[in-house]
Amino acid sequence: QKEVEQNSGPLSVPEGAIASLNCTYSDRGSQSFFWYRQYSGKSPELIMSIYSNGDKEDGRFTAQLNKASQYVSLLIRDSQPSDSATYLCAVKRGSARQLTFGSGTQLTVLP
Amino acid sequence: DTGVSQDPRHKITKRGQNVTFRCDPISEHNRLYWYRQTLGQGPEFLTYFQNEAQLEKSRLLSDRFSAERPKGSFSTLEIQRTEQGDSAMYLCASSLVGVSFTNTEAFFGQGTRLTVV
Repeated sequence: QKEVEQNSGPLSVPEGAIASLNCTYSDRGSQSFFWYRQYSGKSPELIMSIYSNGDKEDGRFTAQLNKASQYVSLLIRDSQPSDSATYLCAVKRGSARQLTFGSGTQLTVLP
Repeated sequence: DTGVSQDPRHKITKRGQNVTFRCDPISEHNRLYWYRQTLGQGPEFLTYFQNEAQLEKSRLLSDRFSAERPKGSFSTLEIQRTEQGDSAMYLCASSLVGVSFTNTEAFFGQGTRLTVV
């Protein structure tokens, strides 16, 4: 079992729809969770962090965390073609100082 | 621009040559990380520094890899005797960790894309 798992996609949604990206993690001691966006050939860009159970909203983005289910998700409302990218879920496990990444989900927003 | 800066952006080298990459973190950040990313995968942790001290190294970091962060500012990552399997994007990230070691976000530089031919 991978430490951080994401569906690789590709996930396609029409412009204006809600894109839902999911991530599960194996280490129950994980405390910090992050979503990064990565355009092709570019480096990861931090878009959301979440540390406690529940929802956290920032503009069109909502991160959801359920530690009991070891599940974190990212919702993108009113998806735009410019949101087309790979979304990486990253987890900071227990006492570790570094991030463990999933393989990413490729999102395509169709105009 | 006060973000994380990496140099060079691209490097093509022949197998067996040595290469060195540089990372300049966000100026007030005390923690610096190196990651490696190959096509279709998420970044994989290589090593990190707290100020000038290298506190952890991944088993991915073979003896051919060495990293330094003199004076706790910029960092270098050197790969000796490069192999084709070293071809990847090498990413540097930095973060600010407080006295209580509260987790904070890590911000990435543009990366150095290494191609070993």
